[in-house]
Amino acid sequence: GQQVMQIPQYQHVQEGEDFTTYCNSSTTLSNIQWYKQRPGGHPVFLIQLVKSGEVKKQKRLTFQFGEAKKNSSLHITATQTTDVGTYFCGIQGAQKLVFGQGTRLTINP
Amino acid sequence: GAVVSQHPSWVICKSGTSVKIECRSLDFQATTMFWYRQFPKQSLMLMATSNEGSKATYEQGVEKDKFLINHASLTLSTLTVTSAHPEDSSFYICSARDLWGHGNEPTNEKLFFGSGTQLSVL
Repeated sequence: GQQVMQIPQYQHVQEGEDFTTYCNSSTTLSNIQWYKQRPGGHPVFLIQLVKSGEVKKQKRLTFQFGEAKKNSSLHITATQTTDVGTYFCGIQGAQKLVFGQGTRLTINP
Repeated sequence: GAVVSQHPSWVICKSGTSVKIECRSLDFQATTMFWYRQFPKQSLMLMATSNEGSKATYEQGVEKDKFLINHASLTLSTLTVTSAHPEDSSFYICSARDLWGHGNEPTNEKLFFGSGTQLSVL
């Protein structure tokens, strides 16, 4: 079935540093979604990317979809303590969403 | 945004008992809901896809007789963990799919998650 690799598994940064997580698939994707899960909470939808080479921004978050639609990244500029959590990408399988392993971001204030 | 209500938030039960978890989409109709299981510091593992008015589709390795799913209406899906054992202790999360788009084929989708249920089996 559809699989997606997400790296890194963990990332610890100093507050103010940037952060990036990557998702890679061996097959071409129809779209990719990103979710954030705060510690003790549930996943919350962040964005969906559909077009090849698409770049979307949400304040300090930048989402990219690769030209070949096989990879995607989420970049956070100048992290803040509120960014702490696990970020998951999700790809479309057969009528279901398959999640990457997640990247857990921790921040030193 | 859309809201999905899941309850109970946590439950402690004795080994051998059954536990029912409810997932409701509060302001949209969801023909499809999903049930996930999440162990500490791990990703969401899809257990089954719940389809309104039909049988659920279970992922490989998930026992359908152990985890009973009912999706009787467009706004409610239930997961019953039957004869629970300590190894069933986990965080269970549901999600409901909201579809939208132009024309006849929806081209966009978004999952809204419930707040999760922490199950502890003694």
